[in-house]
Amino acid sequence: EPEVTQTPSHQVTQMGQEVILRCVPISNHLYFYWYRQILGQKVEFLVSFYNNEISEKSEIFDDQFSVERPDGSNFTLKIRSTKLEDSAMYFCASSEDKGGTDTQYFGPGTRLTVL
Amino acid sequence: AQTVTQSQPEMSVQEAETVTLSCTYDTSESDYYLFWYKQPPSRQMILVIRQEAYKQQNATENRFSVNFQKAAKSFSLKISDSQLGDAAMYFCAYRRYQGGSEKLVFGKGTKLTVNP
Repeated sequence: EPEVTQTPSHQVTQMGQEVILRCVPISNHLYFYWYRQILGQKVEFLVSFYNNEISEKSEIFDDQFSVERPDGSNFTLKIRSTKLEDSAMYFCASSEDKGGTDTQYFGPGTRLTVL
Repeated sequence: AQTVTQSQPEMSVQEAETVTLSCTYDTSESDYYLFWYKQPPSRQMILVIRQEAYKQQNATENRFSVNFQKAAKSFSLKISDSQLGDAAMYFCAYRRYQGGSEKLVFGKGTKLTVNP
């Protein structure tokens, strides 16, 4: 069964450093998402991406964040200058089509620890 | 803005028994989707069940079923014949059916413990 994959599973970085989290969505999916979950809290939407551009972004997704689909398979989230409060689990998700009956399938997540 | 409320931070159930997890939501939309996701200790988000708001029939998926009350904006999850592997955080989520946003809005989750 096709699945969303994410690398790395755990990333440790120093405050102020740049990190890139990588995702490989399900191959025939068209819509891509990033969510984050701070430990013990609910999952929060960051950004959605379609046709090589951002469809929607939340207030969390400020200028320190960017997303890119550098090739036909990868979808990346970059945090330009990490802060302590960026420590969280980051989930990538993908769905086959907009609206309709399309379910978002999640990857296993990347745990980001900012020291 | 849409909100999702899960009023039970923690629940427990005996193995083989039935448990119901509650979820309410607030929306002015008439068409939308509701989901239950399971998050085991591995922290991966796994889809459990999905309900389309325009469908009156409650969704079922093996031992998992929902009680969808559209007028009351209630969407509870029933787990029958609970198994040890059902122990996890369960998140209720909402998504608009159409429009510019396809994001999921999550509740805070319910931690389910299954006792042997």
